[in-house]
Amino acid sequence: QKEVEQNSGPLSVPEGAIASLNCTYSDRGSQSFFWYRQYSGKSPELIMSIYSNGDKEDGRFTAQLNKASQYVSLLIRDSQPSDSATYLCARTDSSASKIIFGSGTRLSIRP
Amino acid sequence: GAVVSQHPSWVICKSGTSVKIECRSLDFQATTMFWYRQFPKQSLMLMATSNEGSKATYEQGVEKDKFLINHASLTLSTLTVTSAHPEDSSFYICSAPSGQWNTEAFFGQGTRLTVV
Repeated sequence: QKEVEQNSGPLSVPEGAIASLNCTYSDRGSQSFFWYRQYSGKSPELIMSIYSNGDKEDGRFTAQLNKASQYVSLLIRDSQPSDSATYLCARTDSSASKIIFGSGTRLSIRP
Repeated sequence: GAVVSQHPSWVICKSGTSVKIECRSLDFQATTMFWYRQFPKQSLMLMATSNEGSKATYEQGVEKDKFLINHASLTLSTLTVTSAHPEDSSFYICSAPSGQWNTEAFFGQGTRLTVV
């Protein structure tokens, strides 16, 4: 069982719509969760971090965490072509000594 | 966010030679840094955790004699790929934790290594 599961995509969303990215994890001891964006050939860039159950909003991005269901999601409102990238879900391990990444979801925003 | 600088951004080397990659935290101190490798269309694979002033911690299956890590100061960690072979060609990325509770990872620009 993978420690962080993501649908690899590609997920195609029309410009201006809401893109919804989902992630599940297996370790209930995880306390910190992250979404990273990675453009092709570039290193990941932190978009959102979330530590408690519920929603966290930052601009067009909203992260949602449900620890009981071991589920974390990312919503991107008013999707733009520049949002086309691979989105990596990540969590800390139980000891918070390292970050474990999912395999990423490729998002494509079509004009 | 915190700034991590990685150098070089790309390197081509001959098989059998060694390559050193540097990772610097520019505006914060990092007692720990992480080194990842990423093959095309795959996720990040953690290779090792670099610890300032002590030995690095390697992940299972990563050869410590091949991937030498040195973390001599609070702002610099280096990864040396020794006796490189074509199968070592990959995208190598470092990161350092910072931010809230020192858990957010900030990444360097990455190094594209091609061994010919």
